Amino acid sequence: DAKTTQPTSMDCAEGRAANLPCNHSTISGNEYVYWYRQIHSQGPQYIIHGLKNNETNEMASLIITEDRKSSTLILPHATLRDTAVYYCIVRVLTGTASKLTFGTGTRLQVTL
Amino acid sequence: EPEVTQTPSHQVTQMGQEVILRCVPISNHLYFYWYRQILGQKVEFLVSFYNNEISEKSEIFDDQFSVERPDGSNFTLKIRSTKLEDSAMYFCASWPGTGTDTQYFGPGTRLTVL
Repeated sequence: DAKTTQPTSMDCAEGRAANLPCNHSTISGNEYVYWYRQIHSQGPQYIIHGLKNNETNEMASLIITEDRKSSTLILPHATLRDTAVYYCIVRVLTGTASKLTFGTGTRLQVTL
Repeated sequence: EPEVTQTPSHQVTQMGQEVILRCVPISNHLYFYWYRQILGQKVEFLVSFYNNEISEKSEIFDDQFSVERPDGSNFTLKIRSTKLEDSAMYFCASWPGTGTDTQYFGPGTRLTVL
């Protein structure tokens, strides 16, 4: 799986959009970008994933650059409950029991 | 919404003792996983399990570890002789085997080895 680079930490004011970047310059054509988050030592929680098109669901939006070398997770209206560590993971969609490889992620602190 | 559950939430044991961590994956899920997270460190993959067999295991998953699906609902991780360095959060996860390859994690069991 391709390696990812994320900022160690970010702050965001409550109600504002949180934009979390991820660099994956060595991504291969068949690798997807996945985002998970972990709220205070709870189990990681799936957020969203994509291959090359931008994606949106009820939790977030994922913007992937045209060359796929980087992406941005957007939480449109961050709340205090979004304070967590956010992990960007690049992996092949194998259709089997492939593991998740977590990095150190970005610690997002949402403040009043 | 269905959830992965884990018991106990916190387990304290003496070094050298055996522990069994229990997980109830989401019903109808076919793939099961164990991960661990030592305090302040990354979440690390331990093992994946499908069709009553280990699919993949990491270097961490040595002979002291074993997994089992003893019945149709539980998925267990056994550590035969615990060491101090086994102290960590242990997360169980499951995946239905179809769809988006998204793993659903349980809340974790905090294992403290004294």
